[in-house]
Amino acid sequence: SQQGEEDPQALSIQEGENATMNCSYKTSINNLQWYRQNSGRGLVHLILIRSNEREKHSGRLRVTLDTSKKSSSLLITASRAADTASYFCATDSGWGAQKLVFGQGTRLTINP
Amino acid sequence: DAGVTQSPTHLIKTRGQQVTLRCSPKSGHDTVSWYQQALGQGPQFIFQYYEEEERQRGNFPDRFSGHQFPNYSSELNVNALLLGDSALYLCASSLVLPGRTDTQYFGPGTRLTVL
Repeated sequence: SQQGEEDPQALSIQEGENATMNCSYKTSINNLQWYRQNSGRGLVHLILIRSNEREKHSGRLRVTLDTSKKSSSLLITASRAADTASYFCATDSGWGAQKLVFGQGTRLTINP
Repeated sequence: DAGVTQSPTHLIKTRGQQVTLRCSPKSGHDTVSWYQQALGQGPQFIFQYYEEEERQRGNFPDRFSGHQFPNYSSELNVNALLLGDSALYLCASSLVLPGRTDTQYFGPGTRLTVL
């Protein structure tokens, strides 16, 4: 079963604009990760945020985590055509290489 | 440094047949996890192998089995294929570190079509 839900399911914006995607989950977590997937191929890891962190940055990416609301957001600033992809959040609830529980993803389209 | 590799890239089988998918983890990683991703859905965890043993298992029937070899590579076997087994099968590798969670790195996947 899916742990989380991404919102929106699809997002279409103009190149240069910012894109925000949200993820909600149901049970307590240890970590939350965001992945990108191009054209139904492999997942590319973007960023990991631990349950005791509230915000994390990596290049044009900003991730926030609110454990009280069981939600996370991914912000991509100054979007580019190459950012067109599906974005998934994934949670794990233990130490070590625990199984990841994924949401259904947000399909992001960047229009030139 | 090679990342996670999977073979084959694509596979077409008929109902009732058996299939074996292969995965080589990223250099230095000792844990392999397998996921099934149906079209338009997020990946679903099948199972995970560590030290050549199944460490965790998701909600998949016994038709799905696996193996991990001493070199940490892994195989996913699916018996008695059903149409619903058509999906992208993803392998992820990671390193077990005491007291912390390491990132799981994914391979490009194997697209299985069952006719």
